[in-house]
Amino acid sequence: GAGVSQSPSNKVTEKGKDVELRCDPISGHTALYWYRQSLGQGLEFLIYFQGNSAPDKSGLPSDRFSAERTGGSVSTLTIQRTQQEDSAVYLCASRQSSGNTGELFFGEGSRLTVL
Amino acid sequence: GDSVTQMEGPVTLSEEACLTINCTYTATGYPSLFWYVQYPGEGLQLLLKATKADDKGSNKGFEATYRKETTSFHLEKGSVQVSDSAVYFCALSDSTSGTYKYIFGTGTRLKVLA
Repeated sequence: GAGVSQSPSNKVTEKGKDVELRCDPISGHTALYWYRQSLGQGLEFLIYFQGNSAPDKSGLPSDRFSAERTGGSVSTLTIQRTQQEDSAVYLCASRQSSGNTGELFFGEGSRLTVL
Repeated sequence: GDSVTQMEGPVTLSEEACLTINCTYTATGYPSLFWYVQYPGEGLQLLLKATKADDKGSNKGFEATYRKETTSFHLEKGSVQVSDSAVYFCALSDSTSGTYKYIFGTGTRLKVLA
């Protein structure tokens, strides 16, 4: 597709359930990021993948959160044993090249509601 | 660690008023600086950027100048329109740590009244 695609766009789950959020980046983009946007908060960095390098996981808030990127393309963010404080919009972004000058292209996000 | 601080909103202006949204940053290296905008119901998109000191980014009538001496990257527009109503995020990307995390501010909501 032309842009970053995320699914599902909305997810409602019960506390304690596991959820998976998917991100399909722009074709050819080597860098992929996950962020969390909570109501009234900014974008909280979660994890960053660059090519075949080990991901930067420094933003993951707990060991209930994990992410993988298969074949350098699609990424899945998994949240185990969800808690109410996990409710947020999860944003994925991709970037074409390495370095720190390029533009991030964002998806429209997956809104997670934990009841 | 690196951080971005931007003025809290919401900011409410009348059409054709001047806009300044303040943004300051802390970084250990030589970051690139960005402004992203999120229009209602849409995803974030890049508004403008500057990659080195004294660079000025501009787009859609918005401008921001990379000021290393004051560690600032304030967003300005001389005459706002109703269509500028959105949330604006200041961001930086620094390579000092060996990775290219993009750090965002908390966002400033702008509402422009006709």
